[in-house]
Amino acid sequence: GQQLNQSPQSMFIQEGEDVSMNCTSSSIFNTWLWYKQDPGEGPVLLIALYKAGELTSNGRLTAQFGITRKDSFLNISASIPSDVGIYFCAGLNYGGSQGNLIFGKGTKLSVKP
Amino acid sequence: DAGITQSPRHKVTETGTPVTLRCHQTENHRYMYWYRQDPGHGLRLIHYSYGVKDTDKGEVSDGYSVSRSKTEDFLLTLESATSSQTSVYFCAISRLAGSTDTQYFGPGTRLTVL
Repeated sequence: GQQLNQSPQSMFIQEGEDVSMNCTSSSIFNTWLWYKQDPGEGPVLLIALYKAGELTSNGRLTAQFGITRKDSFLNISASIPSDVGIYFCAGLNYGGSQGNLIFGKGTKLSVKP
Repeated sequence: DAGITQSPRHKVTETGTPVTLRCHQTENHRYMYWYRQDPGHGLRLIHYSYGVKDTDKGEVSDGYSVSRSKTEDFLLTLESATSSQTSVYFCAISRLAGSTDTQYFGPGTRLTVL
């Protein structure tokens, strides 16, 4: 089946640094989503991307939908302690079943004050 | 807050017992989903629903059944729980009308099968 390769698996950075993570796939997706999950809670939608090449920002977060439609990246600028958590990418191919949102395995972000 | 509640939030049960998890939404969304989350696997779709009494299987549906008799409730049943079904279960809804992608998640149910 379809799989997403999300990297890095974990990051340990200093407060104030910028962060970059990405997802790649061998399959084409029509939609890319980025979520953040805090311990003991459900994932929270950060950014949704619907068009190849699209660049979208949400505060200090910026995400892009790759031109090939097989990848996406998420950048966090000037990280702060509350950015700690697990970030997931997810892709949807409308040609599949209606519920076919495929998730990456997550990037665990740790921020040192 | 996507108006989703899950119950129970935590449950410990024994192998072979039936278990039902409930997802309740207050916003009248058409699409609802059940996922499980396990270390090393991320989130995997179990079943989803596209309307009252309309459901379909996801990636990891074996051992699970679902029912949706009302728009606001989507039930996940483990007919005979096994230790491999120990997991955190998340319900999700698609918020945009006609969309299946912008999924919003509930707080989760942590299930332990002994």
